[in-house]
Amino acid sequence: AQSVTQLGSHVSVSEGALVLLRCNYSSSVPPYLFWYVQYPNQGLQLLLKYTSAATLVKGINGFEAEFKKSETSFHLTKPSAHMSDAAEYFCAVSSGAGSYQLTFGKGTKLSVIP
Amino acid sequence: EAQVTQNPRYLITVTGKKLTVTCSQNMNHEYMSWYRQDPGLGLRQIYYSMNVEVTDKGDVPEGYKVSRKEKRNFPLILESPSPNQTSLYFCASSPLGTGSAGELFFGEGSRLTVL
Repeated sequence: AQSVTQLGSHVSVSEGALVLLRCNYSSSVPPYLFWYVQYPNQGLQLLLKYTSAATLVKGINGFEAEFKKSETSFHLTKPSAHMSDAAEYFCAVSSGAGSYQLTFGKGTKLSVIP
Repeated sequence: EAQVTQNPRYLITVTGKKLTVTCSQNMNHEYMSWYRQDPGLGLRQIYYSMNVEVTDKGDVPEGYKVSRKEKRNFPLILESPSPNQTSLYFCASSPLGTGSAGELFFGEGSRLTVL
């Protein structure tokens, strides 16, 4: 069984400030981990994924995430927030290579204050 | 343009009136899946399909049916909708292959209200 916990259902940052969205996972096997982003009135799109290669993963739009096995975490960061980053972000876990079944977190809504 | 297309995008219906939400993808993906999104609950999987004629239950299949007669289409059927099925529904697809596992392409969503 696997699960994902996203800390904070709503995060607000000022434009230009660091973005940090937290995700902790639980998995009985080495996981694959994902961050998806959902812009208003749109479907989700893949931001980045971890597949047991490099622990620091770079994604689109300047986002990156670091896999920390000891902390069972996969936090999403971006050095400088833009207004266009305002969206809902979902962390997801699967049970590794060949598994298409994702378990999603409840989501974190990011607001960017001008 | 590569895409997953859902119809209708918005629907208001009444309890018990059968409805179908269509999903079609033009990327020749083998894997397709339906999710529902509810505030504070994130996305929960309803049904999925690994290929034509192969479907399986997700986490919340009660009250739903699916079929996969063609590779590109994966309709979601609500035989007798109830108010607790009011939700935002997403269809997603993915190619099979170890490198793409978990990389889902989502439709834009179908907002369903059952009165």
